[in-house]
Amino acid sequence: EAQVTQNPRYLITVTGKKLTVTCSQNMNHEYMSWYRQDPGLGLRQIYYSMNVEVTDKGDVPEGYKVSRKEKRNFPLILESPSPNQTSLYFCASSLWGADYNSPLHFGNGTRLTVT
Amino acid sequence: DQQVKQNSPSLSVQEGRISILNCDYTNSMFDYFLWYKKYPAEGPTFLISISSIKDKNEDGRFTVFLNKSAKHLSLHIVPSQPGDSAVYFCAASAHNNDMRFGAGTRLTVKP
Repeated sequence: EAQVTQNPRYLITVTGKKLTVTCSQNMNHEYMSWYRQDPGLGLRQIYYSMNVEVTDKGDVPEGYKVSRKEKRNFPLILESPSPNQTSLYFCASSLWGADYNSPLHFGNGTRLTVT
Repeated sequence: DQQVKQNSPSLSVQEGRISILNCDYTNSMFDYFLWYKKYPAEGPTFLISISSIKDKNEDGRFTVFLNKSAKHLSLHIVPSQPGDSAVYFCAASAHNNDMRFGAGTRLTVKP
């Protein structure tokens, strides 16, 4: 089954404790991205990647890191999480970018709470 | 700044009637637009899209209308069904891979 898999689904952590949210897709998509969803703000892009070893900042990259060492994986790293990073996170992928004929496929989300 | 706005946080309609979800945008460089649907505990799923060279795109019960001069698009669902109850996100992009989303509208279709 074609899918984007994120783990974990739920995560509670404390301020400053490094964490990684994994994302994997099995559709051989070139483009992958991370979004956070907050009430009243919709989905905001954190980082995206056009291909292996190519990453770029989105709308809200501060406090996050990503890497794209393999085509299928795009982990999101919070080196020193803070309470304002408490949010619902989505990983997404598409064939070749955020384009008309290349809609995004989303994972089921990771709800992160930082205390 | 929110370049894509969905001003109605919620909408309730009766089964069988038309649902109209609205979206406004401010960036005139946006040239394609999409609607995504999201059920609880799931990620958004692609519903329908439209390019700026068109003013209408239809897919079954779903039709998206684009008014470029007003920077406005709308999603029509006819007839509405209880299974359409979800949060609908409007999204827009200018081919720069920076896709902007609205805040979402929660649609409830009552049986």
